[in-house]
Amino acid sequence: GAGVSQSPRYKVAKRGQDVALRCDPISGHVSLFWYQQALGQGPEFLTYFQNEAQLDKSGLPSDRFFAERPEGSVSTLKIQRTQQEDSAVYLCASSLTGGGADTQYFGPGTRLTVL
Amino acid sequence: QKEVEQNSGPLSVPEGAIASLNCTYSDRGSQSFFWYRQYSGKSPELIMSIYSNGDKEDGRFTAQLNKASQYVSLLIRDSQPSDSATYLCAPLGNTGKLIFGQGTTLQVKP
Repeated sequence: GAGVSQSPRYKVAKRGQDVALRCDPISGHVSLFWYQQALGQGPEFLTYFQNEAQLDKSGLPSDRFFAERPEGSVSTLKIQRTQQEDSAVYLCASSLTGGGADTQYFGPGTRLTVL
Repeated sequence: QKEVEQNSGPLSVPEGAIASLNCTYSDRGSQSFFWYRQYSGKSPELIMSIYSNGDKEDGRFTAQLNKASQYVSLLIRDSQPSDSATYLCAPLGNTGKLIFGQGTTLQVKP
């Protein structure tokens, strides 16, 4: 079947604008993760969902970042009042079960550029 | 101290040689470890996972884990130009999140 998909692939925002990034996980995958990858760095964890429950949001850098997965499938990461330091690639990953050492499959990412 | 440390490189090896990629981690509670490969402009893809001390082999790849030394490595035998990429070490943190190092860039020269 299809892998993890993300949209849009590229997003340019003016500083102060709000953006919404979408992730469609692999069908049937329980766990969904969001990571942020700055240029030249490894991905950094943002938040984790098991079905519709947000079990860990310890990586969200500020209260401008908000994520949801209301029906336990598609997830949206919203960034309010974007700042230049928010420029990064936002990666979504899903895995089959919850909280364990299952393989995380990554989507292609959304490259966000804040001007 | 970073949670996961990797030499950023670039590590340059000739085609056919063995590439050795190293990683140290700070959380003694980590039990599961993953190596991801990331080509430029692409997303990470899983290469190897290792959970027990010792070696784990899969084709040209061997992962090595030493929990006492908090050290994990990846060996790539018979390196090919197509192996040129950034290799990310990632212990599994609590709640199942991956804690990535900054990655080591490998260049395999024909």
